[in-house]
Amino acid sequence: SQQGEEDPQALSIQEGENATMNCSYKTSINNLQWYRQNSGRGLVHLILIRSNEREKHSGRLRVTLDTSKKSSSLLITASRAADTASYFCATVQGSTLTFGKGTMLLVSP
Amino acid sequence: DAGVIQSPRHEVTEMGQEVTLRCKPISGHDYLFWYRQTMMRGLELLIYFNNNVPIDDSGMPEDRFSAKMPNASFSTLKIQPSEPRDSAVYFCASRLGTAPGELFFGEGSRLTVL
Repeated sequence: SQQGEEDPQALSIQEGENATMNCSYKTSINNLQWYRQNSGRGLVHLILIRSNEREKHSGRLRVTLDTSKKSSSLLITASRAADTASYFCATVQGSTLTFGKGTMLLVSP
Repeated sequence: DAGVIQSPRHEVTEMGQEVTLRCKPISGHDYLFWYRQTMMRGLELLIYFNNNVPIDDSGMPEDRFSAKMPNASFSTLKIQPSEPRDSAVYFCASRLGTAPGELFFGEGSRLTVL
């Protein structure tokens, strides 16, 4: 069963705008990760945030984690057409990752 | 590093046929995972191995599915007999046990069962 659930399911923005995707989960976690998937390709790891961290940055990515609300958000700033992809959150419990169904992001030039 | 290598990339077969998907993990990684991705169900964990030993196969849908890891550099996922509802993209992923959990995915094997 899905642990993480992303919201929205789809997001369409213009280049230069910011994109925010949210993830909610149900049980306690060791850490939470975000992945990106381009059409027809495998998933690629973007960023990991540990359960004792509240915010993390990597380039144009900003991830927050609120363990009290069991939620996380991924912000992509100054989006580019090349950011068009599906984005998944994954919760880590023990040795396994459980993925949500993802947010499809379309960035138009 | 070549990354996780999966073959075939595409497979079209008829119902009832045996399907074998192959995976070569990243050298030195001691965990290997098989996931299935469909529009309806998203990414589902089927089975994972640690040091070539199957640890949890509770995600394997039924007895028609089996997976092996005869050595640290090779794993197979077999479906026999295949059914149309098995149509999906099957991903293999590996990771290093000492890392905090980042998975490295292959490009996937897209299976279509007619």
